[in-house]
Amino acid sequence: GNSVTQMEGPVTLSEEAFLTINCTYTATGYPSLFWYVQYPGEGLQLLLKATKADDKGSNKGFEATYRKETTSFHLEKGSVQVSDSAVYFCALSDWGRFSWGKLQFGAGTQVVVTP
Amino acid sequence: DAGVTQSPTHLIKTRGQQVTLRCSPKSGHDTVSWYQQALGQGPQFIFQYYEEEERQRGNFPDRFSGHQFPNYSSELNVNALLLGDSALYLCASTRTSGGGPGGTQYFGPGTRLLVL
Repeated sequence: GNSVTQMEGPVTLSEEAFLTINCTYTATGYPSLFWYVQYPGEGLQLLLKATKADDKGSNKGFEATYRKETTSFHLEKGSVQVSDSAVYFCALSDWGRFSWGKLQFGAGTQVVVTP
Repeated sequence: DAGVTQSPTHLIKTRGQQVTLRCSPKSGHDTVSWYQQALGQGPQFIFQYYEEEERQRGNFPDRFSGHQFPNYSSELNVNALLLGDSALYLCASTRTSGGGPGGTQYFGPGTRLLVL
């Protein structure tokens, strides 16, 4: 079945540092890939997505490229801010008669940015 | 444009009780999915409702049931609560009609359930 594996946290960074969160996936079909972010005490917010191989999703300075050859969707940001402190979830969804787009999530990576 | 809303925000129940959580989807969305997020973990898919029927179900027991109304809002019911049901319950909505691969799910703020 489908699954998502992402690097464990917490990841602690200083402000303006470069952030990378690794995410790899296993899927039988051609899933769409997502990064969601969860701030303390809140629900999930979509950060970015990519629907096919070589697509690059980007938003708020974050980027991730759908790499089919390495089954990866690593999240990057060039210069983090304290406000980026949150838990980041990598997820995939399939679409078909037996899937209907349900999301499968990784365990989440907590990011802590210090001033 | 209101996003996905959920009620209540917090709930405390005791073992064996029953609970009902509610969700209103984002305007224009017709499909509602429910997820359970235990502390420190990623969300797990419970089930999805479309056209007032359960279309897909995750690996959850029959104690978890749901309903979708004609206005697309949805309820999640959990019977015979266990301590392990303590979690954040998230509702997500999307539009299936005309949708397909890449359809994005938008999440509500969640209902935090504590079972004592």
